[in-house]
Amino acid sequence: DADVTQTPRNRITKTGKRIMLECSQTKGHDRMYWYRQDPGLGLRLIYYSFDVKDINKGEISDGYSVSRQAQAKFSLSLESAIPNQTALYFCATSGWTGGSPYQETQYFGPGTRLLVL
Amino acid sequence: RKEVEQDPGPFNVPEGATVAFNCTYSNSASQSFFWYRQDCRKEPKLLMSVYSSGNEDGRFTAQLNRASQYISLLIRDSKLSDSATYLCVVPTRGGGADGLTFGKGTHLIIQP
Repeated sequence: DADVTQTPRNRITKTGKRIMLECSQTKGHDRMYWYRQDPGLGLRLIYYSFDVKDINKGEISDGYSVSRQAQAKFSLSLESAIPNQTALYFCATSGWTGGSPYQETQYFGPGTRLLVL
Repeated sequence: RKEVEQDPGPFNVPEGATVAFNCTYSNSASQSFFWYRQDCRKEPKLLMSVYSSGNEDGRFTAQLNRASQYISLLIRDSKLSDSATYLCVVPTRGGGADGLTFGKGTHLIIQP
């Protein structure tokens, strides 16, 4: 089974609709992230969470909200979807791998492809 | 200088050749660096980490030049399966405490 799962994998919605993307992980990591990826723009951080009580805005948080329901679950909501939120969304987790505190890498879920009409 | 900058390519390389590409970064406090590989429409996956001057794993070598603030990725004896986008990744603000900054990626195409 995958360590980081995302649901749904694909979603088509209409402008103005509220939608939620969900992420679950079995890696036992404290830190979780939401990114979006657009052609030519690379990965951009939307929100991140260091633990259940800690939520932080990333580079492009406007129009999005998140909920950290448990250590293993981190959801991303689009309050009122608009067409320029059409993108590939990735959830990621990271945790200390021992040794230097800098030795921390991120593990990504398979992504959710979102189309807003 | 942008936080992380990469040549987007594409690099078209014949199978068996050696290819190298660089990534420059702006934060001189950064301690660790990563190369991720991303296949089309798939999630990024960690390829290599670089903490000191360099790291080697089979056909792949990553090197770090702190003075010039760049890291490089060298692929020897390239295979068709090496075709992918390679993302250079640097901890945001140098400490990794608030995530990673991803470059936009270098697209590599290995041709038979």
